[in-house]
Amino acid sequence: AQSVTQLDSQVPVFEEAPVELRCNYSSSVSVYLFWYVQYPNQGLQLLLKYLSGSTLVESINGFEAEFNKSQTSFHLRKPSVHISDTAEYFCAVSDSGGYQKVTFGTGTKLQVIP
Amino acid sequence: EAGVVQSPRYKIIEKKQPVAFWCNPISGHNTLYWYRQNLGQGPELLIRYENEEAVDDSQLPKDRFSAERLKGVDSTLKIQPAELGDSAVYLCASSPRILETENTIYFGEGSWLTVV
Repeated sequence: AQSVTQLDSQVPVFEEAPVELRCNYSSSVSVYLFWYVQYPNQGLQLLLKYLSGSTLVESINGFEAEFNKSQTSFHLRKPSVHISDTAEYFCAVSDSGGYQKVTFGTGTKLQVIP
Repeated sequence: EAGVVQSPRYKIIEKKQPVAFWCNPISGHNTLYWYRQNLGQGPELLIRYENEEAVDDSQLPKDRFSAERLKGVDSTLKIQPAELGDSAVYLCASSPRILETENTIYFGEGSWLTVV
């Protein structure tokens, strides 16, 4: 069974400052990794994902995440945040073979301060 | 392209009353999921369907929860009777066939349940 740990429940950051949201996972097999974003009163939307290939993946709105197998991490970063990035971010993991059951972390609330 | 549609968006009921949630997945998606998201937590899978077959319902509290997907398209999740601890957001999601390499789950906006 796999699991996901998001150590930071809330991360306040000033607008235009950089941010890193941490995610660590555990699994005995190869994995796929995801970041989802949830804006207030909305469902989850896929932000980016790692399936294979390059360990650095990017989203269309400036976020990036790097798969680090040795540290079992998939931290999310953005060099300069905007007010509109205020949301809750969920890291998720699934096994890469067979039925890929997706397990979510507890989420990190990113609060961008003007 | 229409996304995953859920209704109702919000529901307030008294404990011991029944409640039902409806979901219409993205057209062509064979896999449908029901997740429950408690306040301050991530989504937890309740049940997964492949077409009309429930292939993973191990986390569904079967004494009070039931679900169906009769024609392999839309689905209904029912709680009867509801308890105070059932207050949560119920998320429906869908994805293409699980054997495809792109394993992306698309979520609806959720049905927010408050049991009083």
